[in-house]
Amino acid sequence: GENVEQHPSTLSVQEGDSAVIKCTYSDSASNYFPWYKQELGKRPQLIIDIRSNVGEKKDQRIAVTLNKTAKHFSLHITETQPEDSAVYFCAATSVSGNQFYFGTGTSLTVIP
Amino acid sequence: DTEVTQTPKHLVMGMTNKKSLKCEQHMGHRAMYWYKQKAKKPPELMFVYSYEKLSINESVPSRFSPECPNSSLLNLHLHALQPEDSALYLCASSQTIRDPPTPLHFGNGTRLTVT
Repeated sequence: GENVEQHPSTLSVQEGDSAVIKCTYSDSASNYFPWYKQELGKRPQLIIDIRSNVGEKKDQRIAVTLNKTAKHFSLHITETQPEDSAVYFCAATSVSGNQFYFGTGTSLTVIP
Repeated sequence: DTEVTQTPKHLVMGMTNKKSLKCEQHMGHRAMYWYKQKAKKPPELMFVYSYEKLSINESVPSRFSPECPNSSLLNLHLHALQPEDSALYLCASSQTIRDPPTPLHFGNGTRLTVT
């Protein structure tokens, strides 16, 4: 099955700085890569996603890049704010059954 | 407001109890999922239902029994649980399980404590 690795496990940045979280996957057949944000005690929420036919996608302060050859994708958050503090999970899906394989999570702290 | 509703929010049960978790969505999604999440860990897939039929069972112990009465409802029946089953149980839905993949929409979860 698919194996998704995520780094770093914890990340602290000053407010206004950028944050980058990286994930690698093993199954070249995976074709959809969502990112979820989970605040303490709350549900995971989709913040951005990218499909394998696209190299980069942006939504305001958030962007995701995908390198299919190297099998890695990254989340970029610019101008970080305290409300960006949360755990972020990357995921990759197999074409079979919409089965999501999650990374181990990154705990992001934005220091005011 | 979440579009996937889970009840109850919190549940405490003894090892001999029988209880059920409930999940409801009205987005017209035809795939529904149960995930288990331990603190500081990613969600772990338990079951997937597609068009009300069980599609995936990730080798979950039989003390967890899923049920999908219709396309909007998903239940998880619990019996003879162990303390290590204490976790956040998340329900999710997606449009289908067919290609191309579609995102998961999670409910707020049920925080289960087994005593």
